Amino acid sequence: DAKTTQPTSMDCAEGRAANLPCNHSTISGNEYVYWYRQIHSQGPQYIIHGLKNNETNEMASLIITEDRKSSTLILPHATLRDTAVYYCIVRVPRNSGNTPLVFGKGTRLSVIA
Amino acid sequence: GAVVSQHPSRVICKSGTSVKIECRSLDFQATTMFWYRQFPKQSLMLMATSNEGSKATYEQGVEKDKFLINHASLTLSTLTVTSAHPEDSSFYICSARGQGGNTEAFFGQGTRLTVV
Repeated sequence: DAKTTQPTSMDCAEGRAANLPCNHSTISGNEYVYWYRQIHSQGPQYIIHGLKNNETNEMASLIITEDRKSSTLILPHATLRDTAVYYCIVRVPRNSGNTPLVFGKGTRLSVIA
Repeated sequence: GAVVSQHPSRVICKSGTSVKIECRSLDFQATTMFWYRQFPKQSLMLMATSNEGSKATYEQGVEKDKFLINHASLTLSTLTVTSAHPEDSSFYICSARGQGGNTEAFFGQGTRLTVV
């Protein structure tokens, strides 16, 4: 799975959009970009994933550059409960379900009132 | 989405005793589950892959005789920390993935183990 680079930490004002970047310059053609987050003392939570088109769900939007070497997770209206560590993971989805996720250090997002 | 339930959420035990942590997939069958460990201010580290009906696969540096994994059914995996020591105090998290086209991973709530 390709390596990803994320900023160590970010701050965001409550109610504003939080834009979390991720670089994955070595991504290969069949690798997807996944985002998870971990709120303090909880297990990680799936947010969104995509291949090359922008994706949106009830939690967030995922913007992937045309060359697919980077992406941005957008939380449109951040709340205090969005304070968490956000992990960007690049991998090939495997339906067999027998390959684990490998976590990097992620970005610690602090939403400030 | 799919739900993975982990129990207990917190446990305190005395040094030298054993602790069992359960991980259940509530609404799907998981032939494979994963166990992670997380120390304060660090990322999740994969400990082992739990396979239903066969032996677990351990990551390098993880003692299989200390961290016993049993995958008794398609919905239950257990991790037993044997002869626990204070340095085993950590946050233990299990994970499972759905079947078919569902490629997301789902995680348990985690278990905070404190060995005193």
